[in-house]
Amino acid sequence: DTGVSQDPRHKITKRGQNVTFRCDPISEHNRLYWYRQTLGQGPEFLTYFQNEAQLEKSRLLSDRFSAERPKGSFSTLEIQRTEQGDSAMYLCASSLVGGIGYEQYFGPGTRLTVT
Amino acid sequence: AQTVTQSQPEMSVQEAETVTLSCTYDTSESNYYLFWYKQPPSRQMILVIRQEAYKQQNATENRFSVNFQKAAKSFSLKISDSQLGDTAMYFCAFKGSGANSKLTFGKGITLSVRP
Repeated sequence: DTGVSQDPRHKITKRGQNVTFRCDPISEHNRLYWYRQTLGQGPEFLTYFQNEAQLEKSRLLSDRFSAERPKGSFSTLEIQRTEQGDSAMYLCASSLVGGIGYEQYFGPGTRLTVT
Repeated sequence: AQTVTQSQPEMSVQEAETVTLSCTYDTSESNYYLFWYKQPPSRQMILVIRQEAYKQQNATENRFSVNFQKAAKSFSLKISDSQLGDTAMYFCAFKGSGANSKLTFGKGITLSVRP
């Protein structure tokens, strides 16, 4: 069990550029979540997948954001035409349906800075 | 919609002493889960303790215990024998039952343990 991994750990981009983040969940976990955390705040839910199906999206997830989980394994989160307000830590978590307490295991996050 | 409130932004405690972190929540659901997560500086979030709402007994995990008051919608975390490694941000989180899978977090509290 290698835990949830995210790549890259840090990303600096200029406003208007597109960025893509990757998350690799714990191998047997069938649920995968994306959260966004700004400085001094708790994580806010963006979206989640069960296997390859995207089951829920937050209103925070504007049209510039898209997430995929092909084949129900890793997931990508793409932000198009980045804005300074997109600067945040993007956290990925995974869990097992029916797992003890529905515990979500978090990755280290990708810190995005939009200049 | 569920809300989670952590009204204390910062707390400090002397090593080996006991500290209590407060959390209140609002929900119309009768069955749900509550969690405390710990986020050390520059490190990933890990689960400290969980509580199922249908269980009357307060959860304990070694030095960590909760005071769950369902009627008051209160869920506080007590850390006994505080250690320097307990220095971190602590987040209270709510998860509804059934298909509602996402976590709703409070703003967090920064806990500093003084040597």
